[in-house]
Amino acid sequence: SQQGEEDPQALSIQEGENATMNCSYKTSINNLQWYRQNSGRGLVHLILIRSNEREKHSGRLRVTLDTSKKSSSLLITASRAADTASYFCATDPTWYQLIWGAGTKLIIKP
Amino acid sequence: NAGVTQTPKFQVLKTGQSMTLQCAQDMNHEYMSWYRQDPGMGLRLIHYSVGAGITDQGEVPNGYNVSRSTTEDFPLRLLSAAPSQTSVYFCASSSDVHGEKLFFGSGTQLSVL
Repeated sequence: SQQGEEDPQALSIQEGENATMNCSYKTSINNLQWYRQNSGRGLVHLILIRSNEREKHSGRLRVTLDTSKKSSSLLITASRAADTASYFCATDPTWYQLIWGAGTKLIIKP
Repeated sequence: NAGVTQTPKFQVLKTGQSMTLQCAQDMNHEYMSWYRQDPGMGLRLIHYSVGAGITDQGEVPNGYNVSRSTTEDFPLRLLSAAPSQTSVYFCASSSDVHGEKLFFGSGTQLSVL
């Protein structure tokens, strides 16, 4: 079963523009994480936001969490070609086991 | 630091064959896990471990076995390969026993014919 669902499935923008992707989930969580996966590579942890936090920043990344709507968004500002990747959210409805969405494929056009 | 090392990177098996995917981490992480990634789907947890000698099943454990005799190593065994096990397999570890902030290996692409 999939707890998290990312939206959109794919996103193509011009370099320099901002990219926003969303994650919705079904049950209560302790925290929500975002990961990046470059083509053919393993996933890399980007940011973790806890259920009692509403917003978190890390460099060009901004994550928001709305527990009442069971949703999160990831904003990447001033996109670069190197940001081309798939982005996944992961939630923890139970301890020890993360549930993952199917991902958003982001393409940055030069 | 090597981080999380997975071997092999590619493997082709015939139906019914068995094999072991290797995973090793050098970060002294207690939490280790195995995922499979299929096209159009998120990662699905196969098995996980919160320390040496402790393993448990994830979402899709059937057809797979694990053991954790040391902190560093967490091999995944396919008992009798089936075409449905064709997938990309990732090993991940974390210093947090609940699996926060996972470090991933580079993956094993497995094809079962």
